[in-house]
Amino acid sequence: TQLLEQSPQFLSIQEGENLTVYCNSSSVFSSLQWYRQEPGEGPVLLVTVVTGGEVKKLKRLTFQFGDARKDSSLHITAAQPGDTGLYLCAGVNTGGFKTIFGAGTRLFVKA
Amino acid sequence: GAGVSQSPSNKVTEKGKDVELRCDPISGHTALYWYRQSLGQGLEFLIYFQGNSAPDKSGLPSDRFSAERTGGSVSTLTIQRTQQEDSAVYLCASSSRHNTGGFSPLHFGNGTRLTVT
Repeated sequence: TQLLEQSPQFLSIQEGENLTVYCNSSSVFSSLQWYRQEPGEGPVLLVTVVTGGEVKKLKRLTFQFGDARKDSSLHITAAQPGDTGLYLCAGVNTGGFKTIFGAGTRLFVKA
Repeated sequence: GAGVSQSPSNKVTEKGKDVELRCDPISGHTALYWYRQSLGQGLEFLIYFQGNSAPDKSGLPSDRFSAERTGGSVSTLTIQRTQQEDSAVYLCASSSRHNTGGFSPLHFGNGTRLTVT
């Protein structure tokens, strides 16, 4: 069974601070995706990383895929209240058909 | 429509009743997924469709849960004899995933919030 573990589960920080969220697994994935979910809505894709060691930047967000394609991290620089939400990592299996999700990291950024 | 549409948005039912949840995927998307999300938690995979067939239904919690897809489009998730532990948000997603692999991101609907009393 493929599992994705996210940490921390909950994070409350002040505006302007930096943070890193981790997503780990013992399984290899063909790609890994990060989604953000707001209350009452479905998750929305932020980024997909495909190549081991790949780093992608999206404004203040930096995503990294581990060399072995088993883990990933999301780093947010100078967090803002608008970053508040549930961040979910999702792994696509090597067959390319199934996407499994971690339990999520709930981020709260205080003004 | 422009996005994935789910109905109803909210459903309250009595324990023991059957419910049907509907998902209209993005037009042309061949892959369709159902997930379940308990309060504040991550997404639990239920079933995946490629066209009208379900290559992976390993996540369905029990034989009270079933799903079908017709015309390569609309899907319904049916829960028979609902139990209180079935209360959750049921999310549907679609993608233009290919038979031979390759991927596109999942596009989610806003979910159906099911409450079993």
